Amino acid sequence: NAGVMQNPRHLVRRRGQEARLRCSPMKGHSHVYWYRQLPEEGLKFMVYLQKENIIDESGMPKERFSAEFPKEGPSILRIQQVVRGDSAAYFCASSQYREMGQPQHFGDGTRLSIL
Amino acid sequence: DQQVKQNSPSLSVQEGRISILNCDYTNSMFDYFLWYKKYPAEGPTFLISISSIKDKNEDGRFTVFLNKSAKHLSLHIVPSQPGDSAVYFCAASARSQFYFGTGTSLTVIP
Repeated sequence: NAGVMQNPRHLVRRRGQEARLRCSPMKGHSHVYWYRQLPEEGLKFMVYLQKENIIDESGMPKERFSAEFPKEGPSILRIQQVVRGDSAAYFCASSQYREMGQPQHFGDGTRLSIL
Repeated sequence: DQQVKQNSPSLSVQEGRISILNCDYTNSMFDYFLWYKKYPAEGPTFLISISSIKDKNEDGRFTVFLNKSAKHLSLHIVPSQPGDSAVYFCAASARSQFYFGTGTSLTVIP
């Protein structure tokens, strides 16, 4: 399966802990996007990364959230000191090019639950 | 602020009939519009897209119509099949960002 791989599929954390979500893009894709879906809402853009660079993080909360896409390995979305409101489905998507309208390929998401 | 809106949370259609899913947007700077289909516990899957310079794009049973003056687009599925039952998201892109609607849950009744 050469699709976008996200792990873990489900993650449970207690308030105050750290959550690390991983995303391996499709083979040959160097553009990665992270989205958050709260219950009953659509997907909300968080951050757009290219290898080793953050291109657009305008949708990312200013505190506790960070993302990286290192030269080697998966993209990581890190949430520090998690709170109940962080409970959501987090989706990663990748694309081969940056051209406008280039469709993104999504992973199956990580469901984060905060106790 | 919701720049892309899908005002119908759900839609039921008889198998073989046409399904019409609607989407409205507020930002005239959007240059591409896309439709995604999502099954439970899976990520969205790209269906069809349309550039802002066109008013129609067709791919098999799926056709997307764009009305720029009304800032409205729609997805037509004909004939509808039970396997089309899923949540459909409308998305619009501007520069590096994609904006998604809240989705419409389509049920095709056999």
